[in-house]
Amino acid sequence: QVQLQQSGPGLVKPSQTLSLTCAISGDSVSSNSAAWNWIRQSPSRGLEWLGRTYYRSTWYNEYAISVRSRITVNPDTSKNQFSLQLNSVTPDDTAVYYCARESGGFDPWGQGTLVTVSS
Amino acid sequence: QSALTQPASVSGSPGQSITISCTGTSSDIGAYKYVSWYQQHPNKAPKLLIYDVNNRPSGVSNRFSGSKSGNTASLTISGLQAEDEADFYCLSYTTSGIYVFGPGTKVTVL
Repeated sequence: QVQLQQSGPGLVKPSQTLSLTCAISGDSVSSNSAAWNWIRQSPSRGLEWLGRTYYRSTWYNEYAISVRSRITVNPDTSKNQFSLQLNSVTPDDTAVYYCARESGGFDPWGQGTLVTVSS
Repeated sequence: QSALTQPASVSGSPGQSITISCTGTSSDIGAYKYVSWYQQHPNKAPKLLIYDVNNRPSGVSNRFSGSKSGNTASLTISGLQAEDEADFYCLSYTTSGIYVFGPGTKVTVL
């Protein structure tokens, strides 16, 4: 059974970098049949897909247009996890952030992390 | 702003069937079989109900079914139960190589 455990700060100051990690158990971040996604949810934006990383003989990344200039999703094979970095955050980035495995739909999801952008 | 459209709310009585639509374009829903549906109860993470248009993961009730016609995907809930009251979201892969969610539909069991 695949499980995802998120970690990271719940408060980030404006203009700084939001960093979250998603630890994987029961699967490998290097799997050739899965992709590893970040999604966020806020009342104003609803559910918003942010980006993903996956391995198919080499590593690939895809990012949402809305955050493409500010986002990095990286795998960490030594720890079997993946991370989200979102630069230059503003209060509009305040949301619940989720990680999710993709292998025929998004399942499972992490527990969610409320990140508030405020000084 | 979502590229997909869903009705804001749908309601039904226990035992009835309801259908939630998710309308996109030939660049998303109409382009691929990669449409999935999620149920979200308050303060919970979304739960996968349907993937690849009409496939149900192990453990998901067969009261949930999915279909697609052209640029519109649909989720049908048959035998509506009180526990089905939740928000439902569609998700589609796009020709731009990204994913888009629908805005969500609130299902109310009368």
